[in-house]
Amino acid sequence: GEDVEQSLFLSVREGDSSVINCTYTDSSSTYLYWYKQEPGAGLQLLTYIFSNMDMKQDQRLTVLLNKKDKHLSLRIADTQTGDSAIYFCAETGFIAGNNRKLIWGLGTSLAVNP
Amino acid sequence: DTGVSQNPRHKITKRGQNVTFRCDPISEHNRLYWYRQTLGQGPEFLTYFQNEAQLEKSRLLSDRFSAERPKGSFSTLEIQRTEQGDSAMYLCASSSQKNEETQYFGPGTRLLVL
Repeated sequence: GEDVEQSLFLSVREGDSSVINCTYTDSSSTYLYWYKQEPGAGLQLLTYIFSNMDMKQDQRLTVLLNKKDKHLSLRIADTQTGDSAIYFCAETGFIAGNNRKLIWGLGTSLAVNP
Repeated sequence: DTGVSQNPRHKITKRGQNVTFRCDPISEHNRLYWYRQTLGQGPEFLTYFQNEAQLEKSRLLSDRFSAERPKGSFSTLEIQRTEQGDSAMYLCASSSQKNEETQYFGPGTRLLVL
């Protein structure tokens, strides 16, 4: 079946690096995503990685993918108080041929302490 | 490009009433998705449109739920005879044919059924 798991909470100090981990079950997923959700706000796509890649870097964000272990991580360098939010990991689940729905984890609540 | 918009942003209704939500996708995005998110959970897929065709419905979408996208642009999600368990955030997302792996989300409609 399709399932995405994340730890629920992470607390870091401002300026430190944050690492949010995710495991997924569907080995056929072609894309894996990280979304950010701030209180009362919609879902903001942070980054995504294609399944044939091991790493993707985008400014302060680094995504690592271990396809063998079905493990995805998001590293935020120099974490700021504005990074406090819920971070969702999502994988693609196929519907109607190539069209994709997203399968989501429960989200990791990141608290950044000054 | 103004992004995905949803109306209303908030809706409070009494149990048994009907409600209708609207989603306006990013222009020229032919794919449109509805998700539902309850407190402390990740989003759950409800239904998917490609142009005006509804190609997939989740088993979460009971007979009381109906979605339409009559002209392949905006979409409506109607819930008939609302129940307290329908209280949730209803999220709409869209993607383009060229860039189908990236779903852009609207701010959501928060429904509270009393």
